Parts: sequence; C-alpha cells; structure tokens
Amino acid sequence: AQSVTQLGSHVSVSEGALVLLRCNYSSSVPPYLFWYVQYPNQGLQLLLKYTSAATLVKGINGFEAEFKKSETSFHLTKPSAHMSDAAEYFCAVSGPGNTPLVFGKGTRLSVIA
Amino acid sequence: SAVISQKPSRDICQRGTSLTIQCQVDSQVTMMFWYRQQPGQSLTLIATANQGSEATYESGFVIDKFPISRPNLTFSTLTVSNMSPEDSSIYLCSARRGTGELFFGEGSRLTVL
Repeated sequence: AQSVTQLGSHVSVSEGALVLLRCNYSSSVPPYLFWYVQYPNQGLQLLLKYTSAATLVKGINGFEAEFKKSETSFHLTKPSAHMSDAAEYFCAVSGPGNTPLVFGKGTRLSVIA
Repeated sequence: SAVISQKPSRDICQRGTSLTIQCQVDSQVTMMFWYRQQPGQSLTLIATANQGSEATYESGFVIDKFPISRPNLTFSTLTVSNMSPEDSSIYLCSARRGTGELFFGEGSRLTVL
C-alpha cells in the first residue's frame, strides 16, 4: 500500500522568497513520485516526476524536488516565489508500471506581494 | 503529453437524476482512471477503466452508483447515478502511458440540487 503525507495544508511566502512544500511518502515498492499543480477552476498539471533516475528532479516553472530515500521525502522547492505560483500543489505516489496514483491532501500556496 | 477532453465541463443536476461524463484522449493510452475531487479536498480514485471489460473499483465506490465504460483505448465514460447533493464534486478523467505520469482532463464540475 502507498500513501502520501503533505505537511501543511497552507503555506504563505513573500514574493521572491524560497518556496518549500513538504511531502513524505510510504511505499512497499520502489516509488514513483510526482508533484502536480492545480490553479483555480482548472485540472491538474504535472510539475515534475521521479521515476528512479536522478534523485534531484527539475520541473517546469523553476520548481525542483529531491528524492531522499532515507527520509522517505520528496519536498518541492523553488528559489524565488512569483505571484503566479499561487495555487494548490499535490504530491502523489505510485508503484512502477500502470498503477494509479495516490494523492496527498494538497498544500495551498499563497504568495504575498 | 496527452490531451484529454472532458464533457460536460460543468452541470447542475436535480437530485435523483443521472449524468454521464465523457472523456476522450487524443492518443492511445494504456490506462485510464476516474478520480473525484470534493470541494476543497484532494483527489480520490474512483476506479480504473479497463478496455472492453468491467472497471476496477476502489473501496467505497460501486458499479451501480458509478458505472464506467471504456470501449476502446482512447474513450471512457463515467455515469453518476441517482445523484444526491453529496455527489457534488469535480470528476476528473486521467490517462497514463508508459512514461509514468498521469495526464488529467480539465474536470467536470457537478452540482446536485
């Protein structure tokens, strides 16, 4: 069984500040890990994914995440927040192959001018 | 990436009626899934849509309430039957290819009065 825990349902940062969104996972098999972003009234867009290659994964819009097996973590970071980053962010885990994704509860990111 | 079209994008329905949501993918995919996102919540997997056979439902979801069809590799439907206000949600179609990530449609926002 797999699960994801996102620490913090709401994170608020100032424009230009570091963004850190936390995700811890539980998986009985080597995991595939994903971060998605959802803007208001829209579907989900993939930011980045980890599928057992490089542990530091770079995604779109300047985001990156590092897979740390020892900490069972896959935290999402961005060096400098923009107003346009305000959205809901979801971490998700799956096993290899064609298994469905299990999503965390989401973290709402607010960016303050 | 795959482009997923869902319709209707939104609907307002009366209690006791049924609504069918259609999902069309622009290219062949191996897996299709249906998720539900209740207001302010994360995504919950309803079922895996299997081509030419009965869908695989998650705990808490049954075929009588959420019948699903997938007649070919690029098309699926989800019906929400005998609706109640508790069924008011966003229903999201998703598809997965060998690369692992899940692509999402824009979702169908359903309000039941």
